[in-house]
Amino acid sequence: DAGVIQSPRHEVTEMGQEVTLRCKPISGHDYLFWYRQTMMRGLELLIYFNNNVPIDDSGMPEDRFSAKMPNASFSTLKIQPSEPRDSAVYFCASSLGLAGDQETQYFGPGTRLLVL
Amino acid sequence: QQPVQSPQAVILREGEDAVINCSSSKALYSVHWYRQKHGEAPVFLMILLKGGEQKGHEKISASFNEKKQQSSLYLTASQLSYSGTYFCGTVNDYKLSFGAGTTVTVRA
Repeated sequence: DAGVIQSPRHEVTEMGQEVTLRCKPISGHDYLFWYRQTMMRGLELLIYFNNNVPIDDSGMPEDRFSAKMPNASFSTLKIQPSEPRDSAVYFCASSLGLAGDQETQYFGPGTRLLVL
Repeated sequence: QQPVQSPQAVILREGEDAVINCSSSKALYSVHWYRQKHGEAPVFLMILLKGGEQKGHEKISASFNEKKQQSSLYLTASQLSYSGTYFCGTVNDYKLSFGAGTTVTVRA
């Protein structure tokens, strides 16, 4: 299996621009998670989906952030407009389920975002 | 809700042992352990489910004491490849919360 795929791997943009991060989960995994990692705040869960439906978006920092999952093999995280404090590594992860061994999450390589 | 890890960092020589602790103020259903190397994604090591079982991965093992709401990760006879940041994760309301991490440096 190819594992979780994310693109782009690196993104440099200017404040105010729209940024779109993409994720392809492991085939057959019903759950998809978006995380943000910074030195100050560590690894934070932003939102997660079950069968393409957003279940919990309480971690999304503000309205500038939005996430979609139009089908089982694709999700996007969009920041509009971007700000320098959004600079972080954004990880996508997927899992089979939310109980027992199925709750194991597999992480993608991450997108390193720098907003100037 | 974020679990608390200790120590923050540890430096070892090859062959030495170390213990990383993870504790939670809430009742634990499961504990996850991940390792992240610099510039890479977190990699799953093991999951411990309610029941106090102990698991192992190479010479890395972990225990889970649900009564004390804590888990410990044991690095035995450490190798250079064990260097990285270790995170524990605890599940509440179906959401995985990660500790701040313990940075392990293994020197030759």
